[in-house]
This record gives sequence, structure tokens and C-alpha cells, in this order.
Amino acid sequence: DTAVSQTPKYLVTQMGNDKSIKCEQNLGHDTMYWYKQDSKKFLKIMFSYNNKELIINETVPNRFSPKSPDKAHLNLHINSLELGDSAVYFCASSRRGGAGELFFGEGSRLTVL
Amino acid sequence: ELKVEQNPLFLSMQEGKNYTIYCNYSTTSDRLYWYRQDPGKSLESLFVLLSNGAVKQEGRLMASLDTKARLSTLHITAAVHDLSATYFCAVDPAGNNRKLIWGLGTSLAVNP
Repeated sequence: DTAVSQTPKYLVTQMGNDKSIKCEQNLGHDTMYWYKQDSKKFLKIMFSYNNKELIINETVPNRFSPKSPDKAHLNLHINSLELGDSAVYFCASSRRGGAGELFFGEGSRLTVL
Repeated sequence: ELKVEQNPLFLSMQEGKNYTIYCNYSTTSDRLYWYRQDPGKSLESLFVLLSNGAVKQEGRLMASLDTKARLSTLHITAAVHDLSATYFCAVDPAGNNRKLIWGLGTSLAVNP
């Protein structure tokens, strides 16, 4: 029974397309996150939601739009994909409102051609 | 600027040897986390250190936290190949309560 699950695990698409990644957690946590990990493994937080409320919105192009329909789900939609968007996107959740121990999904590897 | 510095960033060691990975941070904090990431996989929580002097051990890994020195260490004892992975430390800045500050990760290769 996966605690934090993301779909899809792999996306390969052309520049200019739009794609979405979905995330669900069954841990009962209040806070969910999207992180981007580049090819050098650097982890960058993108967004965080606490009980459906956006609490962190880092310097991310507005082509990226998160949505949290309820506290167990956090989706990420990306418009007009660019080569530089190629990365692994991790969803995570935590019990605390804010930081705290994170539980990560398996990641979604996005490749933009 | 809040910084978390890990060193070394790359570590190649022989099986059976001991080594320490260091995590220095630039802000006040009494909460620090260590994560492990296997190649192509997700990040897995290893240790949660919540106070000055905290020490946690799991198998061949031991983590400690010195909040006065703003330093955490991850000590590897008698390394085995299965420990090959990337190890990240992440700091929860005091008063921030919003996001973790991550180190760049230490890529560990344990060779026979």
C-alpha cells in the first residue's frame, strides 16, 4: 500500500506540449509538496500546500500550476513545456504544517524533446 | 542566505572502511534530517534529529547533531556495497516552519 504515489512515472513529450502529474498520499498528512530534482540531483522546492492552501510558491515559471483538490491530492500541470523542464519531479508529504520529515513519492521523470 | 553544505560531495571508499559525511548549516536550527537516495529511486528518510546532542543509529550508519556548532555528521562503519547511494541532509530553520533547506547530497560509492 504505497504511502505517496505519483503518476505517471515517466513522461516523454515534445517542446510546447502540456502535461500533468498527479500525486496522492494516504498518510493522513496535512502538507504536500512538489520538488524538482535536476540531473545533478539538486533538490528544489517548487510548491507546498497545507490542507489545500498554497503556502509555498517558489520562483517557478507560471507555466507550472499546482492544484490541490483535497489534502490527500496534489497535482502539477505544466504548460508549454521547454527543454529545461526535463527533470524528475517528486511529490512529498509531511505531518507538520510546513517543514518536518518528508515522505516522498517515487518520482516522475519528465523528458522534453 | 540560508545554506547547507555537505562534504564531501563525492566519496569512494572500500568495503570495511569507516568514514564520516559532514553537514554544516548557516542558520539556527534544532531539526535536521538525513535522507538516502538510490540511483533512479525516491528519497527515503534515514534519521530525524530533533535536538542538540541527538544521536541516532541504524545498522552501519550513525547520525549526530550539534546545534551549537551547526553541524551534523553521518558516520559509516565498516562500509558495505549496499550503502552505495546519495545521502542528503536537510535543515528545518528555526522560526521558518515552512520549508527544508537541502544540501547538495553526497554520492557514496562503496567498492569491493
